[in-house]
Amino acid sequence: AQKVTQAQTEISVVEKEDVTLDCVYETRDTTYYLFWYKQPPSGELVFLIRRNSFDEQNEISGRYSWNFQKSTSSFNFTITASQVVDSAVYFCALSAVTGRRALTFGSGTRLQVQP
Amino acid sequence: DAMVIQNPRYQVTQFGKPVTLSCSQTLNHNVMYWYQQKSSQAPKLLFHYYDKDFNNEADTPDNFQSRRPNTSFCFLDIRSPGLGDAAMYLCATSRALGQYNEQFFGPGTRLTVL
Repeated sequence: AQKVTQAQTEISVVEKEDVTLDCVYETRDTTYYLFWYKQPPSGELVFLIRRNSFDEQNEISGRYSWNFQKSTSSFNFTITASQVVDSAVYFCALSAVTGRRALTFGSGTRLQVQP
Repeated sequence: DAMVIQNPRYQVTQFGKPVTLSCSQTLNHNVMYWYQQKSSQAPKLLFHYYDKDFNNEADTPDNFQSRRPNTSFCFLDIRSPGLGDAAMYLCATSRALGQYNEQFFGPGTRLTVL
């Protein structure tokens, strides 16, 4: 069975602060994908990143960076110099590579960035 | 732009009155998914179609049905909506070829049951 845990229910920061959203997962698969999605107040889930389980290189995209640690089953997401537009609910998700490929979502972390 | 479209964005129905939600895609993806997302919760997969092959999640109530008449369209039918079915319903697609498992989501339909 797959499980994704986002222990932080809600985080509030002031603009320009850095913030890290935690994600811990469980799976019996040896190969899998990890994802982060952003859900702004409008409701649409916006894809941010997909990571293969065999690629542990950290990734940076502008103000966003991701730290994948297979040894601790974590896939954390950091926003540098946060902005008000970053306010949203962020979901971490996991899927198998073969067979049932549906996403298993964590419960989400609501990020509030105050001006 | 290629996208996933959901209509309507807001739907109000009465307790027990059948309702159909619509999803269309211009991505030509093989897989279409329906998720239910209740307030402050994670999306929960109801079922998905891989081409014409329907895959129901084990815990999806019989009250929820789906149709996929062609590659572009997929419908969610709720036969007798209850108050507990009020939620955001999200449609998603993916190419489902090898590593292309990224899911693209529509804006969702928010269902209110009176």
